[in-house]
Amino acid sequence: NAGVTQTPKFQVLKTGQSMTLQCAQDMNHNSMYWYRQDPGMGLRLIYYSASEGTTDKGEVPNGYNVSRLNKREFSLRLESAAPSQTSVYFCASSAVVSASYEQYFGPGTRLTVT
Amino acid sequence: QKEVEQNSGPLSVPEGAIASLNCTYSDRGSQSFFWYRQYSGKSPELIMFIYSNGDKEDGRFTAQLNKASQYVSLLIRDSQPSDSATYLCAVWLYGNKLVFGAGTILRVKS
Repeated sequence: NAGVTQTPKFQVLKTGQSMTLQCAQDMNHNSMYWYRQDPGMGLRLIYYSASEGTTDKGEVPNGYNVSRLNKREFSLRLESAAPSQTSVYFCASSAVVSASYEQYFGPGTRLTVT
Repeated sequence: QKEVEQNSGPLSVPEGAIASLNCTYSDRGSQSFFWYRQYSGKSPELIMFIYSNGDKEDGRFTAQLNKASQYVSLLIRDSQPSDSATYLCAVWLYGNKLVFGAGTILRVKS
């Protein structure tokens, strides 16, 4: 998980509570992503940010909001948590470096909504 | 039809054998293809990407792309128990969307 940090690692919420997942990278990457991973479903993109100041919806954006605070930080907010949002959340960053593509993921946040 | 499909496995191979993992995709316009390795309880790790037809080799890993047949494969030579993991295929679709398959579980038996 070189260079991408996420907090918290674990969280339990009650239905209706809100929380913000934090993500930071120190690799000077322009692009950052939030994914969720559910059993048997691979990774699904929630939101992404191609550069500082821009954000775009992914496959499953409903119930989430994001903020690209600066080039390093990209946060994900659940305004009113629902049991369907129980999942593992991964933040990632990427860039094209010397004609090669690199992407790194954070360690993940395991969220349970009861 | 799912945009990216993988056999969930598990695929079991003996140590030292070649493991062959396959992935098919639905969008003919797809340009770039990625393979990730994910150990249980850990985050995905990008191990290969390929964007042109043919083979790309990196150490014991070879990615093969066949755009006409719309599949991409990952071959792991001299498989080791440490290769046991879930392998995720991802395809960069038209519209700047990276879509993942559900992953194939690989088990290498010593």
